[in-house]
Amino acid sequence: SQQGEEDPQALSIQEGENATMNCSYKTSINNLQWYRQNSGRGLVHLILIRSNEREKHSGRLRVTLDTSKKSSSLLITASRAADTASYFCVTSNTGGFKTIFGAGTRLFVKA
Amino acid sequence: GAGVSQSPSNKVTEKGKDVELRCDPISGHTALYWYRQSLGQGLEFLIYFQGNSAPDKSGLPSDRFSAERTGGSVSTLTIQRTQQEDSAVYLCASSSLGDTQYFGPGTRLTVL
Repeated sequence: SQQGEEDPQALSIQEGENATMNCSYKTSINNLQWYRQNSGRGLVHLILIRSNEREKHSGRLRVTLDTSKKSSSLLITASRAADTASYFCVTSNTGGFKTIFGAGTRLFVKA
Repeated sequence: GAGVSQSPSNKVTEKGKDVELRCDPISGHTALYWYRQSLGQGLEFLIYFQGNSAPDKSGLPSDRFSAERTGGSVSTLTIQRTQQEDSAVYLCASSSLGDTQYFGPGTRLTVL
């Protein structure tokens, strides 16, 4: 099974609202990364948070990491129609560097 | 600098044929990954190369799939005797050790 699992699978919100996506994982990690994939296009790296960090910000993005619960959340504030995409969490394990993606959260932002 | 490049961008082949997909990673990146993504699905890890270490092949779905990385740079993913279920986008990524992965645009493979 996948190491990283995103929740919810799909999310539909109005432009201007905040969107929160969650990711759970199973084993110890070195870092956790969030990626965005627009329909039919490549993956874009959004933010990386290391295992010794608890929160990180980048523009309208806020990522938290709770290693005790093996979970992370991605918050997109003041969403825009252009944020419509699939979002994936990726973990890099301490036992090696294999990185595993979850199935992603599909976010739809309505204008 | 140049990003990760992949070729071809699209490949249509007949069932039973062999195909080779190429990935040129970012210069200096020691790690290289191959993934595949079926329509509307997440990414499925296939294989991972790190420096001169033996590759992690645990994600390869069958022995029809193989990959090489020559000289620690360019990688080729080979699928022998292709099946219709092999149809997917094949993505390559490279990174410095344990760091952010940078993805190529992918190769869309269609097996008729």
